[in-house]
Amino acid sequence: AQRVTQPEKLLSVFKGAPVELKCNYSYSGSPELFWYVQYSRQRLQLLLRHISRESIKGFTADLNKGETSFHLKKPFAQEEDSAMYYCALSVAGGTSYGKLTFGQGTILTVHP
Amino acid sequence: DGGITQSPKYLFRKEGQNVTLSCEQNLNHDAMYWYRQDPGQGLRLIYYSQIVNDFQKGDIAEGYSVSREKKESFPLTVTSAQKNPTAFYLCASSSRGGGPLNEQFFGPGTRLTVL
Repeated sequence: AQRVTQPEKLLSVFKGAPVELKCNYSYSGSPELFWYVQYSRQRLQLLLRHISRESIKGFTADLNKGETSFHLKKPFAQEEDSAMYYCALSVAGGTSYGKLTFGQGTILTVHP
Repeated sequence: DGGITQSPKYLFRKEGQNVTLSCEQNLNHDAMYWYRQDPGQGLRLIYYSQIVNDFQKGDIAEGYSVSREKKESFPLTVTSAQKNPTAFYLCASSSRGGGPLNEQFFGPGTRLTVL
């Protein structure tokens, strides 16, 4: 069975500092990885997905199959980045297609 | 916000009672999901449905039941058999078939408290 691990429950940085939220996964097939974000008093929403290789709000994430990681990075954190971040994995094919497995979440706090 | 609605926002239940949480979507999505969110445990999948009149158990289905009689609706019943039902419940939907471009859209959630 697939598993997603986010080792940090809490992460605090100062505004302008680089930030990296760690995500490791275990899955024997080809995974599809996502980052979801939940800002205060807002709904959980998709931030980015690995296949798009996009940068959203200055965040990027690279899938490293050798290290089975999908860390989320931003070179200069902003106060508005403070939120709960979830890493999620989806399996390709089979009856579980489309089902997401989430990590435990990391609360990011960016101090002024 | 439109798309996915959940009701009620807050729900209180006495031990031993069943309670049903509502989830409706107007996004014309085929797939719908129920998650439970607990501090430190992330989101855990309870049930999901890829199409009307069909649904599958997720990772923590015990003590829960669902139905999918209409495409727009996916109600979740928390039964008295659920040992620790106090939690925040999230409903989501997505286009059918999953896939790397398939985004799940989430509702605002229902906070259930068992008294």
